[in-house]
Amino acid sequence: NAGVTQTPKFRVLKTGQSMTLLCAQDMNHEYMYWYRQDPGMGLRLIHYSVGEGTTAKGEVPDGYNVSRLKKQNFLLGLESAAPSQTSVYFCASSYSEFSGVTGELFFGEGSRLTVL
Amino acid sequence: AQSVAQPEDQVNVAEGNPLTVKCTYSVSGNPYLFWYVQYPNRGLQFLLKYITGDNLVKGSYGFEAEFNKSQTSFHLKKPSALVSDSALYFCAVRDIRNSGAGSYQLTFGKGTKLSVIP
Repeated sequence: NAGVTQTPKFRVLKTGQSMTLLCAQDMNHEYMYWYRQDPGMGLRLIHYSVGEGTTAKGEVPDGYNVSRLKKQNFLLGLESAAPSQTSVYFCASSYSEFSGVTGELFFGEGSRLTVL
Repeated sequence: AQSVAQPEDQVNVAEGNPLTVKCTYSVSGNPYLFWYVQYPNRGLQFLLKYITGDNLVKGSYGFEAEFNKSQTSFHLKKPSALVSDSALYFCAVRDIRNSGAGSYQLTFGKGTKLSVIP
């Protein structure tokens, strides 16, 4: 049981390049999330999904796009990377509120992205 | 709106001494409260949560937290610190009145770095 797996773990991009971060979970969770973590700012929600085929904006969505074509996968895309997107990105998943479980988030180990 | 504050960027404690990491919150209704821990180069791990009931919540690795509604606080505690407890600790809150899409959105504090000195 792998939990939440993120790929790649490290990536260096040049300004203007594009890339996709992949998140996969094997816990059959309904909800999935992408956060970014910056020093002194904690975690900020970028986008989230409450089910296959649905996505929504979080606190800091600009410059990012997401897709959830399969329940177990949640992709985060950067179409034109900027230095301000240098960060550590975390994917997380959770049960839905309707499961009766008021539960916690399960996090991946992070993807460190540097944009030059 | 919901918010959480961790007033200390860093807490230093000697091994074997009790530790406290502070957290205060603000929600319109009643809160769900969480503590997470992050070890270096790792993702966040769930420690404990308060949903309802007993104000003293026990969690993983000997940690506990006390919910104080009048002071809107949810401080993390451990009776005897270990060097291996050194990590970054995050408090998070959610208003229980939030429902529907995105209702599981948590608001995280900025984190407190705990250093346990041998």
